[in-house]
Amino acid sequence: QLQLQESGSGLVKPSQTLSLTCAVSGGSFSSGSYCWSWIRQPPGKGLELIGYTYYSGTAYYNPSLKSRVSISVDKSKSQFSLNLSSVTAADTAVYYCARYNPGLTEDSFDIWGRGTMVTVSS
Amino acid sequence: SSELTQDPAVSVALGQTVRITCQGDSLRSYYVSWYQQKPGQAPVLVIYGENNRPSGIPDRFSGSSSGNTASLTISGAQAEDEADYYCNSRDSSGNHHLVFGGGTKLTVL
Repeated sequence: QLQLQESGSGLVKPSQTLSLTCAVSGGSFSSGSYCWSWIRQPPGKGLELIGYTYYSGTAYYNPSLKSRVSISVDKSKSQFSLNLSSVTAADTAVYYCARYNPGLTEDSFDIWGRGTMVTVSS
Repeated sequence: SSELTQDPAVSVALGQTVRITCQGDSLRSYYVSWYQQKPGQAPVLVIYGENNRPSGIPDRFSGSSSGNTASLTISGAQAEDEADYYCNSRDSSGNHHLVFGGGTKLTVL
């Protein structure tokens, strides 16, 4: 059973860079049929897609975050990472990694990590 | 603001049927997926595609779509179905961007 596990700093200072990693285990990370995504949820609010990457490293980013976001793949470690620069309090949220199936009839986030809370504060 | 619109809250009596809706122009062209999220937990995919349930999702959950509106129906709601439900689909541009609805809090009375 494929599992995803987020890790990284839970507290980031304003203007600094938020960095998280998602470890993929129990299944195929290299399948070209899936993408690997980051989704966040501010406290008490809804879900927002940050972006996703193919195993090849080709990535797509939410236009509202594109100037500050980078998602990369580490094939040797079966993990992918998120960097979000110049953070503010508005970036405080639970960050989830999830597997995204981009097929026209599947088009869904079918496996999620448990999420990690990141607080932006000095 | 989200391009997918959901009612903020819906309630249903135990054992009755409830429909949760999601509206957006992109739904005329793209499938929607539905997620259940209980407090303190990650979202769980419950419906995707035309009307598909992942393994382990009870068959009381079903999906449908007409025009710009997609619906998640729970037939015979159970206490454990009380949760937030989010829809998700591609945005109007049809490119790579996916958007979530604002979520619907379902209360089972």
